[in-house]
Amino acid sequence: AQSVTQLGSHVSVSEGALVLLRCNYSSSVPPYLFWYVQYPNQGLQLLLKYTTGATLVKGINGFEAEFKKSETSFHLTKPSAHMSDAAEYFCAVSPSGGNTPLVFGKGTRLSVIA
Amino acid sequence: NAGVMQNPRHLVRRRGQEARLRCSPMKGHSHVYWYRQLPEEGLKFMVYLQKENIIDESGMPKERFSAEFPKEGPSILRIQQVVRGDSAAYFCASSPRGGRYTEAFFGQGTRLTVV
Repeated sequence: AQSVTQLGSHVSVSEGALVLLRCNYSSSVPPYLFWYVQYPNQGLQLLLKYTTGATLVKGINGFEAEFKKSETSFHLTKPSAHMSDAAEYFCAVSPSGGNTPLVFGKGTRLSVIA
Repeated sequence: NAGVMQNPRHLVRRRGQEARLRCSPMKGHSHVYWYRQLPEEGLKFMVYLQKENIIDESGMPKERFSAEFPKEGPSILRIQQVVRGDSAAYFCASSPRGGRYTEAFFGQGTRLTVV
């Protein structure tokens, strides 16, 4: 069965610093991977996704993630944090099979310090 | 094109009452997914529906919970005889088709509080 582990339930960075949110997955088939962001009292918004092709995926708001099969990782990065990036971030994997919904990690809350 | 609409946004119920959560998918989307979010636990899949059909309900508690997505109208998640442990945020997502390639679009959620 597919699963997602997000290392660190809470990450705090200074404004302008590098953002690195970690995600490791387990999958018996080539994974499809997603990062979502959730602002307070809001739903989830897709940041980026990896299905096939280029392993470095660029998303919205300056975020990107790199799929590394050898490390079973899909870490999310942003070169320079902005105050507006403060939110909860979820990594998700799409299991095998045609009609199986996404499996989410427990989330990482990002705080940005001025 | 309006996004996924959920109502109500906040719902307070006393123990033993019924809660009905509504989800109108995006226009043209015939696939709906319900998730529950508990503090510190991320999103847990509950049920996946297509118009008039339940495709996967493996995440739904066997008792007190039911879901439907009729031919006309919104999808409904129904919780009978609510208990304190049902307090959570319930999110609905929709997609135009199923399968691994498909991105799901999320609503803003219904926050259920059981008192």
